Amino acid sequence: GENVEQHPSTLSVQEGDSAVIKCTYSDSASNYFPWYKQELGKRPQLIIDIRSNVGEKKDQRIAVTLNKTAKHFSLHITETQPEDSAVYFCAASIVLWRETSGSRLTFGEGTQLTVNP
Amino acid sequence: KAGVTQTPRYLIKTRGQQVTLSCSPISGHRSVSWYQQTPGQGLQFLFEYFSETQRNKGNFPGRFSGRQFSNSRSEMNVSTLELGDSALYLCASSRGDTDTQYFGPGTRLTVL
Repeated sequence: GENVEQHPSTLSVQEGDSAVIKCTYSDSASNYFPWYKQELGKRPQLIIDIRSNVGEKKDQRIAVTLNKTAKHFSLHITETQPEDSAVYFCAASIVLWRETSGSRLTFGEGTQLTVNP
Repeated sequence: KAGVTQTPRYLIKTRGQQVTLSCSPISGHRSVSWYQQTPGQGLQFLFEYFSETQRNKGNFPGRFSGRQFSNSRSEMNVSTLELGDSALYLCASSRGDTDTQYFGPGTRLTVL
């Protein structure tokens, strides 16, 4: 089955700096890669996702890049703010875009991001 | 639209008991997936239901089961609870023909 590795497990940055979290996946058939942010005691929230037909996607201060050949994808957060502090999870999935097929998200181990004021 | 809701939010059970957790998806969403979150194992997929049918299943023992009703609400059941079943159980809903999953707040299960 799919295996997703995520690095680093903890990341501490100064406010205003950039943060990068990297994930690798094992199944070359995976075609959907979401990123979730989970604050303490709260539900995981989708912050950005990318599909395998796209190499990069950006949403304001957040961007994700995908390298299908190397089977890795990364989350980039620019101009970090204290409210960015949370655990970030990457995930991979094979989605077949039809109702008869199911999909499952395989998650990385998570990265605890701390943004120091 | 209202988000994904889960009940109860907290549960305390003892070993050997069974438990039922409930998940109400976002209106219009037909797929419900369940995940177990623990500090040691992270987020692990349990199963997915779509139109009252289990479409996908993770690597959990048969003590973990689920079902989905005609209104897309889903329940999961854990029988013969073990200490290791203590975890946050999250459900996520999606339209079913797309990929985006939205999570509920979770049910915190503690097994004593």
